[in-house]
Amino acid sequence: QKEVEQDPGPLSVPEGAIVSLNCTYSNSAFQYFMWYRQYSRKGPELLMYTYSSGNKEDGRFTAQVDKSSKYISLFIRDSQPSDSATYLCAMSDETSGSRLTFGEGTQLTVNP
Amino acid sequence: NAGVMQNPRHLVRRRGQEARLRCSPMKGHSHVYWYRQLPEEGLKFMVYLQKENIIDESGMPKERFSAEFPKEGPSILRIQQVVRGDSAAYFCASSPEVNSPLHFGNGTRLTVT
Repeated sequence: QKEVEQDPGPLSVPEGAIVSLNCTYSNSAFQYFMWYRQYSRKGPELLMYTYSSGNKEDGRFTAQVDKSSKYISLFIRDSQPSDSATYLCAMSDETSGSRLTFGEGTQLTVNP
Repeated sequence: NAGVMQNPRHLVRRRGQEARLRCSPMKGHSHVYWYRQLPEEGLKFMVYLQKENIIDESGMPKERFSAEFPKEGPSILRIQQVVRGDSAAYFCASSPEVNSPLHFGNGTRLTVT
């Protein structure tokens, strides 16, 4: 069993839709949770970073963490074609420093 | 991503040759991480270094792979006697301190022919 499970998609939505991306994890020691966006042929770009359960909002993006269920989500409101990318969840624990365990990534396409 | 600089962007090597990948972290960052991304797979941790020290190399293959982060100059990931299975995108990331978010470069795409 993988430590981090993420549906690879692909996910295709119309412009303006609300997008929900999810990851589950099995390691209860994970304390730090991140979402990265990766465009084709580019490196991952940090979108959201959180270390507590609950919601964190940044513009059109909301990250949600539920440690009791070992489940994290990223919501994108008013999605735009420029949001088309692969979204990677990542997490780490106290002992691993910033060594991250990544999900496989979900490929998102937002159609104009 | 412009802060973390990786070169070359593309590298082609024949089987048996050596590959050297370079990474200059963001200014003020002393922690460097190397990850490998195979087609249709997620990013896999390889090694974590601070200046002149390897902190965690639990993700590195035991043979042919080595990494360094000297006091002066970029971090280097070295792959000796490359094989076709080494073909992948290699990403470097840096952070200013432990348990802070990583910032990635745009990667080096290694192709072994």
